[in-house]
Order: sequence, then structure tokens, then C-alpha cells
Amino acid sequence: GDSVTQKQGQVTLSEDDFLFINCTYSTTTYPTLFWYVQYPGQGPQLLLKVTTANNKGISRGFEATYDKGTTSFHLQKASVQESDSAVYFCALVSNYNQGKLIFGQGTKLSIKP
Amino acid sequence: ETAVFQTPNYHVTQVGNEVSFNCKQTLGHDTMYWYKQDSKKLLKIMFSYNNKQLIVNETVPRRFSPQSSDKAHLNLRIKSVEPEDSAVYLCASSPDWGNYAEQFFGPGTRLTVL
Repeated sequence: GDSVTQKQGQVTLSEDDFLFINCTYSTTTYPTLFWYVQYPGQGPQLLLKVTTANNKGISRGFEATYDKGTTSFHLQKASVQESDSAVYFCALVSNYNQGKLIFGQGTKLSIKP
Repeated sequence: ETAVFQTPNYHVTQVGNEVSFNCKQTLGHDTMYWYKQDSKKLLKIMFSYNNKQLIVNETVPRRFSPQSSDKAHLNLRIKSVEPEDSAVYLCASSPDWGNYAEQFFGPGTRLTVL
């Protein structure tokens, strides 16, 4: 079945550092890929979404590129702020799984002021 | 205000008791979901409903049962809770169940089973 892997459980950076969060996926069909962000005490909220029609998603300074060759969807941001501290989830939906969001393990981002 | 609302925020109970969680969305969406988030933050879908019809039923213990009275409401009942049911239960909704639709999440209900 479909799966999503985030190898980094935790990332700690200082303000203005470059952010890179790794995400790879596995599916037998064409997925829609998502990054969700979860702040403490809240449910996940959509950060950005990419389909096969548009390879790159950009939102609030974050960007992610859908790479079919390496089956990756890494998240990047040029300069992080303390307010970016949260848990980031990579996820996919495919024709195979009837709208079910399949989430990665999540990456906790901590920003030192 | 349009959003996904969940009650209660927290619930503490003992092994063997029955609990019910409520979810309501005011976004006018057709599809609703229940997810379980464990202590390691792992998120896994349990059920989804489209226009009051069950369309996804993952492999969850039979003591879990979803209930939908209309497309804006989706409740979750757990008969005879177990310690491993301790988790945050997240409700979500989307305009439809296709693979392009964004899902909107509620704040969750945190269940602690003693």
C-alpha cells in the first residue's frame, strides 16, 4: 500500500537558518502530495499541496517540489523564524486509497531564538 | 465561524468504560474523517464518511464505532475502552473524497484511559 517516510524526527535550528525536511513516498499511482503543520494544541493545517499537474508548491515562504524520479517531496524554507516551531507532516492521497490521507511520521521543528 | 468543532477537549476514564466524542463541521463539506494520533504524534485514519455513508473503515478494533446523523456531524463511540486507546482523536472534513481535496482538522479530543 501507499506509504510516506520522514527520516528526521526532530530538527533544531536558529532563527534565519535554512530549513530542509526530508520526505519520500511510495505509491503505485499518481498522488497528490501535502505538507501539513501542527501547532501545539491544534489539529494539522494545510501548508501546501502539489498535484501531478503542478510540480512545486509555495506557501508562507515554504516550498516543496514533487520529484517523481526520486519519489521525494522535501520541504524547504530559506530563513526560519521562531513562529515556525511546530510539527510538520508530509502526506499523500492517491486514487488507490479513496481520499485517505497517509501521513509520514512527522518532524518536530524547534527554533532557538 | 466556519470550522471543525470537537467536544470534549479532554476526557479521562477508566478501562472498560464507554466514551463518545462529537464532531461538527460548519464548512458545508460532504466528507468527514476520524484520525487517531498517538503519543509519538503518528496520525492514522480510522473512518471516513461521505454524505452519511461509510466509505473507509480501516482495521480498527470492533469496540470503535462511528455514527453520522447528517453530513455535518460525525461522532465516535468507543465501547469498553482499553489503555492503548489513550490518544488524541482528530476529526476532519473535506469538500469531497477525491484525491485533490484539502482536509480541515478540528483541535482534537485527548483521551486518557487509566
